[in-house]
Amino acid sequence: DIQMTQSPSSLSASVGDRVTITCRASQSISSYLNWYQQKPGKAPKLLIYAASSLQSGVPSRFSGSGSGTDFTLTISSLQPEDFATYYCQQSYSTWCTFGQGTKLEIK
Amino acid sequence: QVQLQESGPGLVKPSETLSLTCTVSGGSISSYYWSWIRQPAGKGLEWIGRIYTSGSTNYNPSLKSRVTMSVDTSKNQFSLKLSSVTAADTAVYYCARVVAVAGNFDYWGQGTLVTVSS
Repeated sequence: DIQMTQSPSSLSASVGDRVTITCRASQSISSYLNWYQQKPGKAPKLLIYAASSLQSGVPSRFSGSGSGTDFTLTISSLQPEDFATYYCQQSYSTWCTFGQGTKLEIK
Repeated sequence: QVQLQESGPGLVKPSETLSLTCTVSGGSISSYYWSWIRQPAGKGLEWIGRIYTSGSTNYNPSLKSRVTMSVDTSKNQFSLKLSSVTAADTAVYYCARVVAVAGNFDYWGQGTLVTVSS
């Protein structure tokens, strides 16, 4: 299977901060990388697909970049509703896999 | 707006079979892949498998021997069966729609907690 490793596992930040989360694949996955946001007790919500495409309805402060094995999710100016857990997911392989998650907490 | 809703028993005994159904509303189930994903409490997401509306399936190799998925297009439903469950199968189970080319999950059910306990 393709292993996905996110860093950091947790992150403390303040409203208005710029935040970057990294996801690394154990092999090249081209641009088959997606990002999700999950709040407690809720299903994950798709933010970014194909590494850099913004899902409809998602605020433009979210952006994604990367290809091959290294990817980033950036939130340009944190809002109170952005504090959540973020997951990357590779869809290069039929057996898709997720990163372990990055918990974004309020400083 | 497409909506997905999981249903099934919330408690299953060890060694028995977990059975869940996902009902799709607000759109047709046809011409899409549909997936099951689970999440143990406080842990990450694990893909269980997917089914196309033709009935073609792909399963997580680590679960393949215990998983069966089926689809009923007349009811706009698809289902999951996981046999020989243990406490390790206790999790919130989500159903989700797969976007064909990108392979991401654009619509999700709210999730249903299944506890394996005697």
